[in-house]
Amino acid sequence: KAGVTQTPRYLIKTRGQQVTLSCSPISGHRSVSWYQQTPGQGLQFLFEYFSETQRNKGNFPGRFSGRQFSNSRSEMNVSTLELGDSALYLCASSLGSGRAQDTQYFGPGTRLTVL
Amino acid sequence: AQTVTQSQPEMSVQEAETVTLSCTYDTSESNYYLFWYKQPPSRQMILVIRQEAYKQQNATENRFSVNFQKAAKSFSLKISDSQLGDTAMYFCAFNQGAQKLVFGQGTRLTINP
Repeated sequence: KAGVTQTPRYLIKTRGQQVTLSCSPISGHRSVSWYQQTPGQGLQFLFEYFSETQRNKGNFPGRFSGRQFSNSRSEMNVSTLELGDSALYLCASSLGSGRAQDTQYFGPGTRLTVL
Repeated sequence: AQTVTQSQPEMSVQEAETVTLSCTYDTSESNYYLFWYKQPPSRQMILVIRQEAYKQQNATENRFSVNFQKAAKSFSLKISDSQLGDTAMYFCAFNQGAQKLVFGQGTRLTINP
């Protein structure tokens, strides 16, 4: 079974631009979660989508948004990029039961650099 | 709020040695899962092992095992017969549901030949 895929793997943008990242979950997984990883803040939860609905949200500004399609693929968008948005963005998929035992499987990440 | 603490930012051992990575967490919940993830230099986060809070038996996966002390809120990872391929960042993570993992800051483990 294919793993979680993320595109693109690398992105370079300038301040003020917007960016869209894509994530395809493992087949049969209905939940997609997004995390931001930075050296200073570590791994932080952005949001989770299940059945095309945002089910949970972390403590990030409204510039960070996402959506999920009927095939469970998900995109996240960051508008008006700031230097501090430079990070590795990780996507994780799971079955989506909402229970604690739902193991999340991660993609390789998208490295975003904001200049 | 749930928190996860990994007190060892870096560790280094020789190949074939045994190493233990520490993790403590704070929660008022009774039902939750704990995970160890490994992130090699290639950056792909890989699940190493998981433990259900209700199970007293410690989880084991080949050379990887955990020491879960629920009362102490401690969840350490033991790697036996360490190999060069074990070199990676190791993250302890907590999940009480809601598909939201709370991660520790990570331990950078280096296995030396």
